[in-house]
Amino acid sequence: DVKVTQSSRYLVKRTGEKVFLECVQDMDHENMFWYRQDPGLGLRLIYFSYDVKMKEKGDIPEGYSVSREKKERFSLILESASTNQTSMYLCASSQLRGSGGSPLHFGNGTRLTVT
Amino acid sequence: QKEVEQDPGPLSVPEGAIVSLNCTYSNSAFQYFMWYRQYSRKGPELLMYTYSSGNKEDGRFTAQVDKSSKYISLFIRDSQPSDSATYLCAMTGLGGRGSTLGRLYFGRGTQLTVWP
Repeated sequence: DVKVTQSSRYLVKRTGEKVFLECVQDMDHENMFWYRQDPGLGLRLIYFSYDVKMKEKGDIPEGYSVSREKKERFSLILESASTNQTSMYLCASSQLRGSGGSPLHFGNGTRLTVT
Repeated sequence: QKEVEQDPGPLSVPEGAIVSLNCTYSNSAFQYFMWYRQYSRKGPELLMYTYSSGNKEDGRFTAQVDKSSKYISLFIRDSQPSDSATYLCAMTGLGGRGSTLGRLYFGRGTQLTVWP
């Protein structure tokens, strides 16, 4: 079974802090994604990556950056956390770069609270 | 208009009922259709996966795709309390590098409660 592991289940940070969310997948997937999930808004794509050191902006990249130095690891960085970044963050991965239709495999999420 | 529309519910049904969950979409390029189930405080897990139009059955679950109407459905027969979760539809189209590479478009999810 594919396993996508997010380093923290719950995080509490203060406004202005730099925050790192880490994600590791163990199935050699090319594609990795970061979403945030908010009530009434559903899943919104922040960034994705289809290869090491490659990244693409999703729908809501403002205030975030990402890093993919190794194929299995994809990090989401909040440069200066703000209260409107309080959310559930979900990491996902998929295989078959270059092919459509690959299902995503999700981690269990990190619930981030910014105070 | 959002790419994928899904009624958020909530939907509450008695145990044993047949549940129908639906999504509509606007992009005729979508070819791959999925349903995810998300339990509280967990990540979404893939439940059903279909390509193009038609039906797919897996145990108590049936996924239907009608590309002509841009409409997909998930049916749950003999629903159980353990089916209580949020169900998200998702879909995608083209392959190859580019803005749609590997990217799924999600509905907002329908919250389902099955009471005993």
